[in-house]
Amino acid sequence: AQTVTQSQPEMSVQEAETVTLSCTYDTSESDYYLFWYKQPPSRQMILVIRQEAYKQQNATENRFSVNFQKAAKSFSLKISDSQLGDAAMYFCAYRQRSEFEGGSEKLVFGKGTKLTVNP
Amino acid sequence: NAGVTQTPKFQVLKTGQSMTLQCAQDMNHEYMSWYRQDPGMGLRLIHYSVGAGITDQGEVPNGYNVSRSTTEDFPLRLLSAAPSQTSVYFCASSYSSRGKTQYFGPGTRLLVL
Repeated sequence: AQTVTQSQPEMSVQEAETVTLSCTYDTSESDYYLFWYKQPPSRQMILVIRQEAYKQQNATENRFSVNFQKAAKSFSLKISDSQLGDAAMYFCAYRQRSEFEGGSEKLVFGKGTKLTVNP
Repeated sequence: NAGVTQTPKFQVLKTGQSMTLQCAQDMNHEYMSWYRQDPGMGLRLIHYSVGAGITDQGEVPNGYNVSRSTTEDFPLRLLSAAPSQTSVYFCASSYSSRGKTQYFGPGTRLLVL
């Protein structure tokens, strides 16, 4: 079974600085997808960034980027120029690519990292 | 589009009571799923559906039933609530599999006394 591990229960960063959140996963599959979701105090789950395993290029979305190391099964999230609004729980998630349309592709989540942004 | 909607936002139940958590999406997504979120546990899959009339169990299905009579709706039923089902419940949907991004509803907070 696939597992996702976030080894940092809590992290803090100063406003305008850069922080990296760690995520490792375990799978025997070669084709899959990885996601980072943000959950602010409102509890809404918001997609931050997505990476397809067959793509070597690291995904970026404005101030958010990932360092995807497929061989090491590592998928870290870097937040640049941190803002107060970035404070939230961040969840790393894995989704296996189904061999066929309609197959089961459940999301497997890590336990989350609570990010605090200090002014 | 309203996206994924969930009702109610908050509910208190007594042990043994039954209730249905509603989930609807207006994006014509084939794939829908229910997760529960407990402190320190992340999100865990309860049940999922790959299309109308098709459902299957996830990681923690005991105590919950689902059905999918339409593409839009995917209700979650608690037949006899237990305190262990106190949690925050999220519904999510996506286009059919192949790694498409899942979009989440705002969640339902359930307290079972």
